[in-house]
Amino acid sequence: GNSVTQMEGPVTLSEEAFLTINCTYTATGYPSLFWYVQYPGEGLQLLLKATKADDKGSNKGFEATYRKETTSFHLEKGSVQVSDSAVYFCALPGGAQGGSEKLVFGKGTKLTVNP
Amino acid sequence: GAVVSQHPSRVICKSGTSVKIECRSLDFQATTMFWYRQFPKQSLMLMATSNEGSKATYEQGVEKDKFLINHASLTLSTLTVTSAHPEDSSFYICSADRRGAETQYFGPGTRLLVL
Repeated sequence: GNSVTQMEGPVTLSEEAFLTINCTYTATGYPSLFWYVQYPGEGLQLLLKATKADDKGSNKGFEATYRKETTSFHLEKGSVQVSDSAVYFCALPGGAQGGSEKLVFGKGTKLTVNP
Repeated sequence: GAVVSQHPSRVICKSGTSVKIECRSLDFQATTMFWYRQFPKQSLMLMATSNEGSKATYEQGVEKDKFLINHASLTLSTLTVTSAHPEDSSFYICSADRRGAETQYFGPGTRLLVL
């Protein structure tokens, strides 16, 4: 099945710093790729996604580009805020087909942004 | 947007008792729901896939008699932790698959503490 390897944290940054969280994947075919965010005490929310190679997902200032050459989907933000403090998960469908099926998650990266 | 609720959000119980957690899709029908377990500072681990009107599919290593899943309607799935023990203490998260949607929608999670 598909799998994902995510940079482990924790990551601590000052406000307005640049953020990169690395994610690489192993997959059959070209499934959609996702980044989820989990704020303290809450469930997961979809942050952004990309459905095919070279697609760039973006939301709330975060970006990630689907790179099939390097099998990567790194999350970036140019200027982080205190409110971005959360745990970030890279994910993709667990099987070859994609679509409606279980997701496989990276281990999560905890980000803390200090004022 | 699609909303998934979980109830209760937090539960404390004595060892040996059973606890039921509900997962509801509030504004859409979900033929498939997923149950995850999240240990502190770790990623989500898929426990089982719940399909409406049929038996759940459990992941390897998950005891189906311990974690009973019922998906009786298109908007409700329940997870019952039977004869709970302290090692069952965890954060349980459900997600629901909405037909045609880009990804699953996650509930806010239920924190279970077994004393």
